[in-house]
Amino acid sequence: NAGVTQTPKFQVLKTGQSMTLQCAQDMNHNSMYWYRQDPGMGLRLIYYSASEGTTDKGEVPNGYNVSRLNKREFSLRLESAAPSQTSVYFCASSHRWEVDYEQYFGPGTRLTVT
Amino acid sequence: AQKITQTQPGMFVQEKEAVTLDCTYDTSDQSYGLFWYKQPSSGEMIFLIYQGSYDEQNATEGRYSLNFQKARKSANLVISASQLGDSAMYFCAMREGRRGSSNTGKLIFGQGTTLQVKP
Repeated sequence: NAGVTQTPKFQVLKTGQSMTLQCAQDMNHNSMYWYRQDPGMGLRLIYYSASEGTTDKGEVPNGYNVSRLNKREFSLRLESAAPSQTSVYFCASSHRWEVDYEQYFGPGTRLTVT
Repeated sequence: AQKITQTQPGMFVQEKEAVTLDCTYDTSDQSYGLFWYKQPSSGEMIFLIYQGSYDEQNATEGRYSLNFQKARKSANLVISASQLGDSAMYFCAMREGRRGSSNTGKLIFGQGTTLQVKP
């Protein structure tokens, strides 16, 4: 099993450009999440998808959109990138039926917006 | 509002000694879960240990244990016999709500504590 995969690993964008971060999991998990990590602030939830076909806003959704393409894939789109969106982005998944409910994280995408 | 607080931005510990990383939380839910994750310099997030709010015993996983004090709303991570490979950032997180089909599993993270193990 590959677990949770994310592409790309690194990206540099100019202000106003758009891009989509891809995430896929092969663990048959129901729930998927997008977080951003900024220095000194821990991880903050951007959007989540509790199950296939549903998406909801997290703590910091402004400037982002998401698509739960199918059970495996959950993408994050920046329509018009801003320097404030420079961050490390993590995708995670969890299986609601597992005992411990821990989330499994992808390796992260380091995004710089100039 | 639910909140996780880690008051130690950085910690040092001598190799082979034990260290405690502090975590306090705030929630009005009766049922919740507490997690610790490790983030080494390579950047990945590694799950370490979990404690449910109704679990009567403190969780343990190898050299990791969770000192859960429900009345004080604290969930400190204890690492015994520190190793150089333990040098990393550590995050405390809380899942809101009861396990089950209605739970979305959202996690709230603290700011993290950077641990450095000295040889």
